[in-house]
Formats: sequence, structure tokens, C-alpha cells
Amino acid sequence: TQLLEQSPQFLSIQEGENLTVYCNSSSVFSSLQWYRQEPGEGPVLLVTVVTGGEVKKLKRLTFQFGDARKDSSLHITAAQPGDTGLYLCAGDGGGTSYGKLTFGQGTILTVHP
Amino acid sequence: NAGVTQTPKFQVLKTGQSMTLQCAQDMNHEYMSWYRQDPGMGLRLIHYSVGAGITDQGEVPNGYNVSRSTTEDFPLRLLSAAPSQTSVYFCASSYSSVTSSYEQYFGPGTRLTVT
Repeated sequence: TQLLEQSPQFLSIQEGENLTVYCNSSSVFSSLQWYRQEPGEGPVLLVTVVTGGEVKKLKRLTFQFGDARKDSSLHITAAQPGDTGLYLCAGDGGGTSYGKLTFGQGTILTVHP
Repeated sequence: NAGVTQTPKFQVLKTGQSMTLQCAQDMNHEYMSWYRQDPGMGLRLIHYSVGAGITDQGEVPNGYNVSRSTTEDFPLRLLSAAPSQTSVYFCASSYSSVTSSYEQYFGPGTRLTVT
């Protein structure tokens, strides 16, 4: 069974601060996805990283996939109240997993004005 | 496109009752999944399907049944509801291609309370 450990579980910061969320595993994933979820809604895909060492930027969000494809991070620069939400990482084990994703426990981010 | 739709949005059941959570997608995706979301536990896979007529168990399948008679529909049946099944349930669809990595398209969720 593949596990994804996500940290921290909670983050409460002031507007303008930077933050990093980590997603770690002892297993290798063929890809790592990051989702954002707002209260009362389903998660929405932010980005997928596929190649070890890959870095992707989405405005103020920077996503990195570890060289060994076992970990990933999400860095937000100058956080805004609109970034508030639940952030989830999810790994695809590849091979015959046929899209059976493993999700981390999630990070609840609150950005105060 | 409506994407992934789920009904009902909210449901309260008594222990022992049965019910079906409906899920439909109009994107012609071959893969569909059911997850439950509980505080501090992320999303846990209940059942999934790789195509019409093909289903398999996920991480927490006990107490739930699924079937997939069409590409579009993937209902989740609770056989005899228990308080431990109080949760938010999400249906998701995805597809495979050279450029995709089974990214999930989620429905809006069903909040189920079992008393």
C-alpha cells in the first residue's frame, strides 16, 4: 500500500507571507497531482508533475517533484485570502494501478487579511 | 458539459437503511471512482471502475457496492447504513492518454449522515 504523508496539516498565516506544503512517501509515483478544495465543493486539479526534478509554476504557486519521484512540494509566494482552502496531493502509482490515486491527508490553509 | 454530477447533495439515514448515491459524467471518461472524505484523512478510495462492466475495490470497500452498466453512470450503494459511514462522498472520473496522468474530475459531493 502506497502512503502519502502531507504536512503540515494546518497552516494559518497573514496575507503576504510565504508558505510551503510538503508531500512525502517511501514509494515512487509515476506522477503527482495537487488539488485545491473549497468548502462544500469537490477538489479541483491545480497541476500534475511527471518528471523527477520537475518544477511548474502557476502564478504565485510553485510545484516541485522530487528527483526520485517520491516527494513533492507546493510553495505559495505572497499568500492572499483567496488562497484559503484545503490542498491535497495525490500520487499515481503507475503500471497496473489504472488511475487508483493515493491521496495525502490534506493541508488546511487559512490566509488572514 | 455538466461534468460530474452527484445526487443527492445531502442525505440523512437511520442505521440499517439502504440507499444509492447517484453519479453521472458526460465527458466519456473511461475511469470512475468513489471516494469518502473524513476530517484529517484526505480522500480514501472506496471502489473504482476502468470501464463499463468492470469494477474493483479500493482501500475502504466494506459496506458498499457498485456497478457500472454504462460509461456515464456509476452508482454507489450502501447496503445497511452504519454511523461509521457518516462522511462526504465524492465521485470522480478520469481518462488515460499519452499526456494524461489520470487527473480526477470531481463531482460536488454528497454529505451523508447516519444516525
